[in-house]
Amino acid sequence: SQQGEEDPQALSIQEGENATMNCSYKTSINNLQWYRQNSGRGLVHLILIRSNEREKHSGRLRVTLDTSKKSSSLLITASRAADTASYFCATFPSEYGNKLVFGAGTILRVKS
Amino acid sequence: NAGVTQTPKFQVLKTGQSMTLQCAQDMNHNSMYWYRQDPGMGLRLIYYSASEGTTDKGEVPNGYNVSRLNKREFSLRLESAAPSQTSVYFCATHQRQGGSGYTFGSGTRLTVV
Repeated sequence: SQQGEEDPQALSIQEGENATMNCSYKTSINNLQWYRQNSGRGLVHLILIRSNEREKHSGRLRVTLDTSKKSSSLLITASRAADTASYFCATFPSEYGNKLVFGAGTILRVKS
Repeated sequence: NAGVTQTPKFQVLKTGQSMTLQCAQDMNHNSMYWYRQDPGMGLRLIYYSASEGTTDKGEVPNGYNVSRLNKREFSLRLESAAPSQTSVYFCATHQRQGGSGYTFGSGTRLTVV
C-alpha cells in the first residue's frame, strides 16, 4: 500500500503564481523526497529532507516537514510554464530498509 | 554519461508471451529497483536488488522475476504476460550513502493485448 498521499490531486495556476502541494504519510521515516515527472518521461529527483530537518530550500523550491503531523509540503515560487508536470512525494520508511515508497502524485498545470 | 538506460522503450505483447526488460546503469550504484506506474496509482515497487547478488520482492512481485546480472545490469522478466501487466515500467538506481535520491530511467511502456 502507498505510504504517501498528495493533496491536491490536480492544481492549475497562472504563470508567476506560487504552487503548494502537500503530502501525508503513515509511518516513521528516515527522509522524505520530492520528484518531478514530465509527461512521458522518467522521474527526476528534486529535493530530499531528512527526518531531523524542518525546512529546506533549493532554488525556487521550498520543502517543509512536520514529523509530528506526518506531513510535508512542496512550494514552487514564481511558477513557469516549464514547471507543468506531475509531482510525487516519496518516503524512506524507517522499517522498510532500502526501499522508497511513492504517493499517487499531484498534477500541476501552469498556464502562460 | 547515460545514467540509467532502459530497453526497449515500447513493447506490445500478446497474452501468454514472455519478455525481458533490460536496465543498465553507469552510476556505479549498489541498489537497483523495478517499479511499475499505473494511472492514479503512483509507482509501486516490483522487485529490488540492494547489492550485486541479492534480490528481494517488493509490493507487487507476482508474475515477475528478476536477475541482477552484475553491478550494472538488472533485468525484469515476464514469463507469461497478462493484460493486468499493461503499465509503464521504470528502473531506478540508488547509492544509500550520501543521502541522495533515486536516479530513474526513461521507462518502458508495455501493452499486453
